[in-house]
Amino acid sequence: DAGVTQSPTHLIKTRGQQVTLRCSPKSGHDTVSWYQQALGQGPQFIFQYYEEEERQRGNFPDRFSGHQFPNYSSELNVNALLLGDSALYLCASSTRGHEKLFFGSGTQLSVL
Amino acid sequence: ILNVEQSPQSLHVQEGDSTNFTCSFPSSNFYALHWYRWETAKSPEALFVMTLNGDEKKKGRISATLNTKEGYSYLYIKGSQPEDSATYLCAFKGYGNKLVFGAGTILRVKS
Repeated sequence: DAGVTQSPTHLIKTRGQQVTLRCSPKSGHDTVSWYQQALGQGPQFIFQYYEEEERQRGNFPDRFSGHQFPNYSSELNVNALLLGDSALYLCASSTRGHEKLFFGSGTQLSVL
Repeated sequence: ILNVEQSPQSLHVQEGDSTNFTCSFPSSNFYALHWYRWETAKSPEALFVMTLNGDEKKKGRISATLNTKEGYSYLYIKGSQPEDSATYLCAFKGYGNKLVFGAGTILRVKS
């Protein structure tokens, strides 16, 4: 049983570019959450998707958007990249009504 | 703005030592408290999800307690082993709210 998978593992972009990160949830999970982890901080909640809709959102600008597909996989898109967007982006999946999160290994994004 | 504080920031112990960390969170609107272990180059892994005041959970040598009235949770590791070396994250969730993580406690166990 594959756990949560994220791609790519690493990514280097320049300021102003756009990026798309991908996540496949653990088998049987229907809810996907995205987190940003900057150095020295805990993961910060970006948003959560369930039934292909954004259900909750953290304090992130509209440059951060997402999508969930019918197979429950998800994408995180970031437009007009800033240097401050450099971070580890974690995807976590869960089953609606169950609290425990299962995390992927993350995508390390570097913005130059 | 919700504040979740973890202490200490880092901890170095000898193999066999017992240790504990603290997670402080808001004492109102409590829904759940999570603990995760994050080993280097791996994914964060859930240890416990606690929802009831006074709850105690145990997994092998690791245990956790919860006090929602005063807003804290303790994580204990008995007889630390080198494989316990990791960052331990706690996260607080209020009713209808998102999960808010602390910055973590880094544990290094020396053999």
